[in-house]
Amino acid sequence: ETGVTQSPTHLIKTRGQQVTLRCSSQSGHNTVSWYQQALGQGPQFIFQYYREEENGRGNFPPRFSGLQFPNYSSELNVNALELDDSALYLCASSLGGLAGYNEQYFGPGTRLTVT
Amino acid sequence: AQSVAQPEDQVNVAEGNPLTVKCTYSVSGNPYLFWYVQYPNRGLQFLLKYITGDNLVKGSYGFEAEFNKSQTSFHLKKPSALVSDSALYFCAVRDRGNNRLAFGKGNQVVVIP
Repeated sequence: ETGVTQSPTHLIKTRGQQVTLRCSSQSGHNTVSWYQQALGQGPQFIFQYYREEENGRGNFPPRFSGLQFPNYSSELNVNALELDDSALYLCASSLGGLAGYNEQYFGPGTRLTVT
Repeated sequence: AQSVAQPEDQVNVAEGNPLTVKCTYSVSGNPYLFWYVQYPNRGLQFLLKYITGDNLVKGSYGFEAEFNKSQTSFHLKKPSALVSDSALYFCAVRDRGNNRLAFGKGNQVVVIP
């Protein structure tokens, strides 16, 4: 098991609502990335935070936003939920920000269901 | 933008036989390449990576992968598969010019006792 934790484990929301997912990174890691994994698909990169700044973003609309805190934990916020947002949301921590050769350590994920 | 292709949805192999999971990639520059494994209801676990140097990379649990620049491939291999290797395997690539990690769709590996 990695030292990355995510909460909650499961979540059910209604279309149009807002949701906040949380992630605690592995000790010593200063970079957090978020991914969306739809059923039967590989993870899709949402964004990355390094030292509390967003430093990369995938093809996701602005209603997906995030924060990183001084202790390097992170939140993913999704506004105006849509049915297609139903997925497993994975958080991963790593060292080094722009040093892309460092491997990422993943949490167990949050399963979000939008009805 | 970088991308990964994992052409086979499922790989079936008998226990004790060699296991190969195929991956090809596309990047605009030099790649960083990774393999991860996912067990049911779990997050992804790092297996190995290629940054530079020796084309044959050794990783966790007896897995290895060979980087082939001319064929833009990074196939995962294990000389003798175990039933416990049954899982979903993901190849991922990052272009050195950015920090986005692109994953393939994954390969389900089934090791038959």
